[in-house]
Amino acid sequence: DTGVSQDPRHKITKRGQNVTFRCDPISEHNRLYWYRQTLGQGPEFLTYFQNEAQLEKSRLLSDRFSAERPKGSFSTLEIQRTEQGDSAMYLCASSATGDAFFGQGTRLTVV
Amino acid sequence: AQSVAQPEDQVNVAEGNPLTVKCTYSVSGNPYLFWYVQYPNRGLQFLLKYITGDNLVKGSYGFEAEFNKSQTSFHLKKPSALVSDSALYFCAVSRTGFQKLVFGTGTRLLVSP
Repeated sequence: DTGVSQDPRHKITKRGQNVTFRCDPISEHNRLYWYRQTLGQGPEFLTYFQNEAQLEKSRLLSDRFSAERPKGSFSTLEIQRTEQGDSAMYLCASSATGDAFFGQGTRLTVV
Repeated sequence: AQSVAQPEDQVNVAEGNPLTVKCTYSVSGNPYLFWYVQYPNRGLQFLLKYITGDNLVKGSYGFEAEFNKSQTSFHLKKPSALVSDSALYFCAVSRTGFQKLVFGTGTRLLVSP
């Protein structure tokens, strides 16, 4: 499969725990984006990397959220001290020419 | 700041009939406009985009969209709907081709047999 890959697909965690999601973009796509989608809403931008540089972060990305793309390939999104409001679908997308291709997402449920 | 409005939560159409899903946008400068489709428990699939040029853009699965600068609209259309087109459709705007996408709230399309 040469599309954007996200792992895990589903995550259930207890409030207060830390979680980490991984995104593997399409090979040679230098831009990588994270979005969050809650029920009944469109995806909301969280952060964006060009190669390994994090170029933009949304105000939605509180201090509990951190994203990395250490070698300009895969990326991780970590949420510390999860809250029930963090429950959402976390989508990753990658782009080379401006067309963003999305992965299937990681659905996080905080109980 | 850019924004997108999708005024219809749901559009119902009979199979074989034409469909339109509406989208209006607000952005400073020239917009980059996109349509994505989302099936249940799936990520978003790219349908089509407008950057410049012909106001009528053709995309995947027989969909097309018409850019109207004066009305700041980018409506999605298809001449003949299929039941398999039933899904959630998102319009998105960007200030450039590489910056973040700002999405609308989505329109659920239901195509009845």
